[in-house]
Amino acid sequence: EVQVVESGGGLVQPGRSLRLSCTASGFTFTDHAMSWVRQAPGKGLEWVGFIRSNLYGGTTEYAASVKGRFTISRDDSKSMVYLQMNSLKTEDTAVYHCTRGSLSAGGFSDVWGKGTTVTVSS
Amino acid sequence: DIVMTQSPDSLAVSLGERATINCKSSQSVLYSSNNRNYLAWYQQKLGQPPKLLIYWASTRESGVPDRFSGSGSGTDFTLTISSLQAEDVAVYYCQQYYSAPFTFGPGTKVDIK
Repeated sequence: EVQVVESGGGLVQPGRSLRLSCTASGFTFTDHAMSWVRQAPGKGLEWVGFIRSNLYGGTTEYAASVKGRFTISRDDSKSMVYLQMNSLKTEDTAVYHCTRGSLSAGGFSDVWGKGTTVTVSS
Repeated sequence: DIVMTQSPDSLAVSLGERATINCKSSQSVLYSSNNRNYLAWYQQKLGQPPKLLIYWASTRESGVPDRFSGSGSGTDFTLTISSLQAEDVAVYYCQQYYSAPFTFGPGTKVDIK
């Protein structure tokens, strides 16, 4: 079964850091870009960023709202992707979904995880 | 950045009737070299992650009922549910994947009248 499963969410104080993980299975991980999409409580979807496959240099792109604070990385040997979140703000509170990109260099999100909840609060 | 807008914000349609959702991008998402529109539609039911419905503006994802269809090109797109079923109650989002950041529309909530 093709799936992605997120982990690592929790309650964190403003200004602190948190790392989310996403474990992929059931497909050739190295062929796909991987993205993170978040959804604040009661709000719509916000694209956070993505990492291209290593076929395209494993380069990353980010939303302006997280650029400089969040870093996406991947470990192809483990079929995992990570979201390192630093200098967290209360407005980063959301469910964070890991998604599979349809293409090596990006594309639409054709597989979604159920998400992991991040709450930033003092 | 490409800004995505959707209309209406919400709509209520009788069972078996047609539902139409519009999506507009602030610049064209048509890639001239392959003549493809980099536009996807997702459905999100309450308490669930989003689900891919349509990609390349009009290609239905495997397993998606054929009452869902996508159309449009360039900057103007439409998602149509030809005969609304109870299980179609959800929020629908469009997304452009033409250029990063891959922005989403604000969503359209579909309910039963």
